[in-house]
Amino acid sequence: SQKIEQNSEALNIQEGKTATLTCNYTNYSPAYLQWYRQDPGRGPVFLLLIRENEKEKRKERLKVTFDTTLKQSLFHITASQPADSATYLCAPSNNAGNMLTFGGGTRLMVKP
Amino acid sequence: DAGVTQSPTHLIKTRGQQVTLRCSPKSGHDTVSWYQQALGQGPQFIFQYYEEEERQRGNFPDRFSGHQFPNYSSELNVNALLLGDSALYLCASSGTPALNIQYFGAGTRLSVL
Repeated sequence: SQKIEQNSEALNIQEGKTATLTCNYTNYSPAYLQWYRQDPGRGPVFLLLIRENEKEKRKERLKVTFDTTLKQSLFHITASQPADSATYLCAPSNNAGNMLTFGGGTRLMVKP
Repeated sequence: DAGVTQSPTHLIKTRGQQVTLRCSPKSGHDTVSWYQQALGQGPQFIFQYYEEEERQRGNFPDRFSGHQFPNYSSELNVNALLLGDSALYLCASSGTPALNIQYFGAGTRLSVL
């Protein structure tokens, strides 16, 4: 069955450092992959989408990579700030399917 | 431009009862999806509605049903509530089926006692 794995342990980093979050998937051939941010008690907010033919995508301090050979996506936040503290969710998907399947999320804590 | 709105924000029910949750999609969106999110977990897809019909369904029992109205708003109904149904129920709307980018509401927190 399809499986999406994100590090369930919280990631603690110092302000100003680069945070790197991992999303691994198995039994899956996604055409694209989405990343969302979720704050406590709120719904997820879309951040970035990367297609299978794109190796890297950037948006301001955010960078996402997509390696279909390794079946892995990496999500980077450079020059991290305490305001970046949240849970980050990945969701691989394909063009044919309408259902969006999320990983369990990784909680990021940026300390001042 | 109003985003996705859900009501109520919190709800407390007892086992065996029935509940109805409501959602209004983002303006211009015609597709509504419902998700269940247990504490510490990612959202789990329940079903999706488009043109007033259920288009796809996740691995949830028939106790979970829904409806979409002509104005694209939607309801999620859960019958015979179980303790395990306690969760945050999220509604999301989308307007670009090919990419399926979801715009989420703040959710309804359901507690079953």
